[in-house]
Amino acid sequence: EDKVVQSPLSLVVHEGDTVTLNCSYEVTNFRSLLWYKQEKKAPTFLFMLTSSGIEKKSGRLSSILDKKELSSILNITATQTGDSAIYLCALSSTSNTGKLIFGQGTTLQVKP
Amino acid sequence: ETGVTQTPRHLVMGMTNKKSLKCEQHLGHNAMYWYKQSAKKPLELMFVYNFKEQTENNSVPSRFSPECPNSSHLFLHLHTLQPEDSALYLCASSQGAGLGAYEQYFGPGTRLTVT
Repeated sequence: EDKVVQSPLSLVVHEGDTVTLNCSYEVTNFRSLLWYKQEKKAPTFLFMLTSSGIEKKSGRLSSILDKKELSSILNITATQTGDSAIYLCALSSTSNTGKLIFGQGTTLQVKP
Repeated sequence: ETGVTQTPRHLVMGMTNKKSLKCEQHLGHNAMYWYKQSAKKPLELMFVYNFKEQTENNSVPSRFSPECPNSSHLFLHLHTLQPEDSALYLCASSQGAGLGAYEQYFGPGTRLTVT
């Protein structure tokens, strides 16, 4: 059964800190791994990773996929209080239904 | 704003009521999805529609009935729900749901409480 596990489940840091969130997966036929940020309601799309070793970057956020280790990390540098959210990792397999399997999320709290 | 809207944003209903959730996407996408998000649990996929055809029903009880009249609109009809169905119901859309890798864009959700 396809599975996504995120760690840690929750994290409290102070503004300016750098954080690394982890996502491990087990999947039969990998297609892509996605990261989302969920603040109040709607998860908002951050990154989609399909190739191993290629870093995706957007401002202070970056992510990389390691297909050998079946994992991905999401880095946030110089954290701000606005980064406080639940970060979700999701997996897509090569089945043709577009199904995403989500991890349980990492709740990040950034204190001033 | 992600281009996916949902109404209502909040809904309280009794176990004998019938209500519907509505989702509309303005992104020109061909695939739409319903997810359920309960406290402390991962997002659970309920249904997938690709070009108006249902391609996935993730063992959802029949008291949830989806409808997709066109690629821009998706409904979730609710009847005789149980208190454990209380959750955040999220709609999403993507360019496709086939062999390509497509990111999904989510609506703001409907917070449903079943009393």
